Amino acid sequence: AQRVTQPEKLLSVFKGAPVELKCNYSYSGSPELFWYVQYSRQRLQLLLRHISRESIKGFTADLNKGETSFHLKKPFAQEEDSAMYYCALRNSSGSARQLTFGSGTQLTVLP
Amino acid sequence: GAGVSQSPSNKVTEKGKDVELRCDPISGHTALYWYRQSLGQGLEFLIYFQGNSAPDKSGLPSDRFSAERTGGSVSTLTIQRTQQEDSAVYLCASSDRTSGRTWGYEQYFGPGTRLTVT
Repeated sequence: AQRVTQPEKLLSVFKGAPVELKCNYSYSGSPELFWYVQYSRQRLQLLLRHISRESIKGFTADLNKGETSFHLKKPFAQEEDSAMYYCALRNSSGSARQLTFGSGTQLTVLP
Repeated sequence: GAGVSQSPSNKVTEKGKDVELRCDPISGHTALYWYRQSLGQGLEFLIYFQGNSAPDKSGLPSDRFSAERTGGSVSTLTIQRTQQEDSAVYLCASSDRTSGRTWGYEQYFGPGTRLTVT
């Protein structure tokens, strides 16, 4: 069975400080990994996906298959980064296309 | 264009009553998903529709839960004999599997329906 673990429910950092949101997964096949973000009173939206190796809003995430991790990082946090962040996994093959989500990390960036 | 819409935005019901939650996906999207977001639990997959294929119901927590998708568009999630543990935000998402990409099929989420069972 596939599982996504986000060990931190809450994370607070000061503006300008680096931030890392942890995500570990367990999956026997070849997964696709994503980070979704939900800002206050807004709908859940895709932040980035591992396959595109992109940087969005200064955030990056590297898939480490050896450690089965997909941590989200940003070198200098901003107050507008405060939001709920979800790590998610999907089977890269087969017919099942649903996402398996972690329990989320609430990030607060303090002024 | 218009995104995924859901109605109602909030629903309060008494324990034991049936409820129906509606999802309007993005026009042309062939895949539709229902998830449940419970406090402290993250998002839990419930059911997945893809075109005219049989839905993947593997995430439905009990036989009190069912869902339909009529005409390949609008979907209704029905919860019969609601229980207090059904209280959650129910999210709908849609994606375009015909995009031609071999990866991605980004899921676009609706605003959710907050269900409270008293």
